[in-house]
Amino acid sequence: RKEVEQDPGPFNVPEGATVAFNCTYSNSASQSFFWYRQDCRKEPKLLMSVYSSGNEDGRFTAQLNRASQYISLLIRDSKLSDSATYLCVVNPATGKLIFGQGTTLQVKP
Amino acid sequence: DGGITQSPKYLFRKEGQNVTLSCEQNLNHDAMYWYRQDPGQGLRLIYYSQIVNDFQKGDIAEGYSVSREKKESFPLTVTSAQKNPTAFYLCASGPYEQYFGPGTRLTVT
Repeated sequence: RKEVEQDPGPFNVPEGATVAFNCTYSNSASQSFFWYRQDCRKEPKLLMSVYSSGNEDGRFTAQLNRASQYISLLIRDSKLSDSATYLCVVNPATGKLIFGQGTTLQVKP
Repeated sequence: DGGITQSPKYLFRKEGQNVTLSCEQNLNHDAMYWYRQDPGQGLRLIYYSQIVNDFQKGDIAEGYSVSREKKESFPLTVTSAQKNPTAFYLCASGPYEQYFGPGTRLTVT
């Protein structure tokens, strides 16, 4: 089993749609969690950290379920500019982060 | 401006040559990381360093070497022993979340 698993997609959605990505992790001792965004041929950029209580940043909402060991990212009112690959990232407190393979989102006009 | 710089952006080499990729950060981070990304694939950890003069192998260290003589700098050498060196190389730093440089695309022919 992979340490961090994501559905690779692609998710093809129309502008204005709401889309949700899930991610599962295997190490129950993991301490912190993040979502990164990576545009084609660019470096990953931190989108948001994920807190136990859930957190929101504009159109983006992240949730953590420690009991079931999954993380989610919800994007509301999708924009064309949201098209990218979204990486789920877990910190198992070993000194290195574990990156998922990424979920590709394509927002269509 | 605070950030991570990598140079060069594109690098072309002939087989059998060693090549060194530069990574510099002025974020005052102790920890620095090198990743490799192949087309359509996730990030794979090559080496990481949590403190000056110390570094650890990641998941795919064979054919690579690093040094960490200064806090700001973590150069990666791709040696001729690396069987498939053509890839996108990303450097990152950070205490918990990681911040990435723009990457170096290495092509070896």
